[in-house]
Amino acid sequence: GAVVSQHPSRVICKSGTSVKIECRSLDFQATTMFWYRQFPKQSLMLMATSNEGSKATYEQGVEKDKFLINHASLTLSTLTVTSAHPEDSSFYICSARGDRGRGGYTFGSGTRLTVV
Amino acid sequence: GEDVEQSLFLSVREGDSSVINCTYTDSSSTYLYWYKQEPGAGLQLLTYIFSNMDMKQDQRLTVLLNKKDKHLSLRIADTQTGDSAIYFCAEISNTDKLIFGTGTRLQVFP
Repeated sequence: GAVVSQHPSRVICKSGTSVKIECRSLDFQATTMFWYRQFPKQSLMLMATSNEGSKATYEQGVEKDKFLINHASLTLSTLTVTSAHPEDSSFYICSARGDRGRGGYTFGSGTRLTVV
Repeated sequence: GEDVEQSLFLSVREGDSSVINCTYTDSSSTYLYWYKQEPGAGLQLLTYIFSNMDMKQDQRLTVLLNKKDKHLSLRIADTQTGDSAIYFCAEISNTDKLIFGTGTRLQVFP
């Protein structure tokens, strides 16, 4: 079945530094990938929709200069958290869309970001 | 706008059935999904239902859809301790995005 690999699973960084999170579709091509953020004990909040070869579409309230998304190929999308602050600490999850008829939104395993 | 609601907690005894409920607002959703999230992990697709179906059964899982009331439920038969997790329902919005419910934390006790 469809597999999405997300790395790293955990990262700790210092305030002011940048962190890159990768999301790869391993056995299918994903023209669209989604990035979510999840606070403890809360639901997933869609941050942006990433389309291969074009600029990402950000949800209202999400700073595009802070959360840089690149979708350079059909199998890779990256999220870079720039100039990270402790309030950016969260669980970030990517998702790639395959065939909806087969329940085709496949999720990565998530990245726990802690900014100290 | 889209809004997907779920009850926050459900506690059941091992071996009993669990029923997790969800209400949604976008009547144009073609697919509705149930996902499971274990602590510190991503989301695992459990099952989905097409909007023209009333029911779908997949082993211990039964999904019921009442499109008129915009109500979706997930029944887990013979609930096991390994079923303890957070369960999210989700619908596809008219802008083709997955909108998640608030999540239901299922706790199974012996």
